[in-house]
Amino acid sequence: GAVVSQHPSRVICKSGTSVKIECRSLDFQATTMFWYRQFPKKSLMLMATSNEGSKATYEQGVEKDKFLINHASLTLSTLTVTSAHPEDSSFYICSAFPGTGGHGYTFGSGTRLTVV
Amino acid sequence: QKEVEQNSGPLSVPEGAIASLNCTYSDRGSQSFFWYRQYSGKSPELIMFIYSNGDKEDGRFTAQLNKASQYVSLLIRDSQPSDSATYLCAVNKDDKIIFGKGTRLHILP
Repeated sequence: GAVVSQHPSRVICKSGTSVKIECRSLDFQATTMFWYRQFPKKSLMLMATSNEGSKATYEQGVEKDKFLINHASLTLSTLTVTSAHPEDSSFYICSAFPGTGGHGYTFGSGTRLTVV
Repeated sequence: QKEVEQNSGPLSVPEGAIASLNCTYSDRGSQSFFWYRQYSGKSPELIMFIYSNGDKEDGRFTAQLNKASQYVSLLIRDSQPSDSATYLCAVNKDDKIIFGKGTRLHILP
């Protein structure tokens, strides 16, 4: 089945530093990937839509300069949290749609970011 | 009105019984609907998707869609303790997946 690989699974960083999260589609090409964040006991909130070869589309209220998204190939999208602060600590999850086989949208395993 | 609404629960169901999870959505133009299961600290995993009015069955799971009422449900037959998780209803809107807050399901052994 369609697999989306996300790395790292956990990261702890110091306040003010930047963290890059990778999302790869392993056995399909994804022209579009989605980035979500989830706070404890809350729903997944869509942050942005990552489009291969073009600029990402950010949801209202999401700072594009803080959450940099790059989708340079059909199998890789990256999310960089710049100048991270403790309030950025969250569970970040990427997703992609394989397009065939009725798999629905497949999620990566998520990245637990803790900013100290 | 929130785009996708679910009762947060917890919903407690005895083992072996049927668990019924409900979801309503606001956008009549939504075309596809999904149920995901999420264990604590893990990423969501797709259980079922449904596009057409009526029922769709897959093993112990049945998804029901009523577009006129803007209502989607998930039935889990013969509930098992391993079914204890948060169930997320999701709707495809403008090619973006919008999630409800999820319903916590607890299967009582």
